[in-house]
Amino acid sequence: DTEVTQTPKHLVMGMTNKKSLKCEQHMGHRAMYWYKQKAKKPPELMFVYSYEKLSINESVPSRFSPECPNSSLLNLHLHALQPEDSALYLCASSQEEERNYGYTFGSGTRLTVV
Amino acid sequence: RKEVEQDPGPFNVPEGATVAFNCTYSNSASQSFFWYRQDCRKEPKLLMSVYSSGNEDGRFTAQLNRASQYISLLIRDSKLSDSATYLCVVNTNAGKSTFGDGTTLTVKP
Repeated sequence: DTEVTQTPKHLVMGMTNKKSLKCEQHMGHRAMYWYKQKAKKPPELMFVYSYEKLSINESVPSRFSPECPNSSLLNLHLHALQPEDSALYLCASSQEEERNYGYTFGSGTRLTVV
Repeated sequence: RKEVEQDPGPFNVPEGATVAFNCTYSNSASQSFFWYRQDCRKEPKLLMSVYSSGNEDGRFTAQLNRASQYISLLIRDSKLSDSATYLCVVNTNAGKSTFGDGTTLTVKP
């Protein structure tokens, strides 16, 4: 299995809603990432998990809360988002954080905040 | 100055053309280098890793010049299906990745 699977593919949520994005990989990768991408911009790193521990938080607002339940799963919990948080949210994995031979990205969740 | 800079593009070329993209990086401690391809409204996909010795995969050739701190991607015999945004990614030895802003390629019939 050489895929990263993200669900849902599309999500529309109100500013008072709570929702979660899910990501799963079965490649034995020990580093997992959340990226945010706005139109015509490169992906922007949000969080890095290495061996199931949070390694990097790129000063992301607390309305985004990551969770790594095990080595194959990564969640992103969303609460009280703003319309400017609308974007494509990409999950990625790599062998290890320090030994990164390239990311495998999921197909993303396209989030719209209304 | 940005850590990773790419040709601004867009590049519009006819089918069969050869096109080259460059990407410069500012951190001399950078350790690994990649080209990704991203189609419209899709996720980035790893196209090639880039090595000092250069590497080739079919019509694609990637080169790294550590002295001048740039990497390049050459596409020969362009196909319509090569139309995409090409992202340069540079990693430090701590695994931190920096993306370039991307270069858009449109191959026209």
